[in-house]
Amino acid sequence: DIVMTQSPESLAVSLGERATINCKSSQTVLSISNYKNYMGWYQKKPGQPPKLLFYWASTRISGVPDRFSGSGSGTNFTLTISSLQAEDVAVYYCQQFYGYPLSFGPGTRVEIK
Amino acid sequence: QVQLQESGPRLVMPSETLSLTCTVSGASISSSYWSWIRQSPGKAPEWIGYISDSGSPYYSASLKSRVTISADTSKNQLSLTLTSVTTADTAFYYCAKDRWTFELWGPGTLVTVSS
Repeated sequence: DIVMTQSPESLAVSLGERATINCKSSQTVLSISNYKNYMGWYQKKPGQPPKLLFYWASTRISGVPDRFSGSGSGTNFTLTISSLQAEDVAVYYCQQFYGYPLSFGPGTRVEIK
Repeated sequence: QVQLQESGPRLVMPSETLSLTCTVSGASISSSYWSWIRQSPGKAPEWIGYISDSGSPYYSASLKSRVTISADTSKNQLSLTLTSVTTADTAFYYCAKDRWTFELWGPGTLVTVSS
């Protein structure tokens, strides 16, 4: 099974500042057949289901603000919020879909400083 | 547009069976894969399994001995059953469209396992 880790567990960022979340998989999620990274990112707010932000590590879902970006390859990935807004307060999860069972990272809580 | 809605008992006794239904509107369940995912409070989401467009299920190995996912095409509903539950099975349970990443989710239902 692929184990996902995230860092930091939580971070507090001032409004308008950058937030960076790291995700690491225990084995590569990069397919050599199509050169795609089987990685997604979600935003989770209380009382709501997770919201998919990115798939293929960096393909943004329609409607997701462009202050959000996804990057990385292989086993190391990053979600960046370039200018934190109040509505971005949430827990963020990475998820690999390279192999079953699908697995999620433990989450990173983003708060306003 | 496509919508999903979970339903079922909110409270289940330990050792009993948890049974949930996901009603899909706006799309035929025969047109896609559908997954069940749960999230215990304060923990990461956990993928439970999926059912294919042809009705074939696939389960997480950690739950395989206790879980069944099925589809009723006449009602356009999915179902999840989890046997021999313990307090560790207390979680929000979600149905979601697709089998890899999940853009469309139901609102979820909190199931508490307690005597």
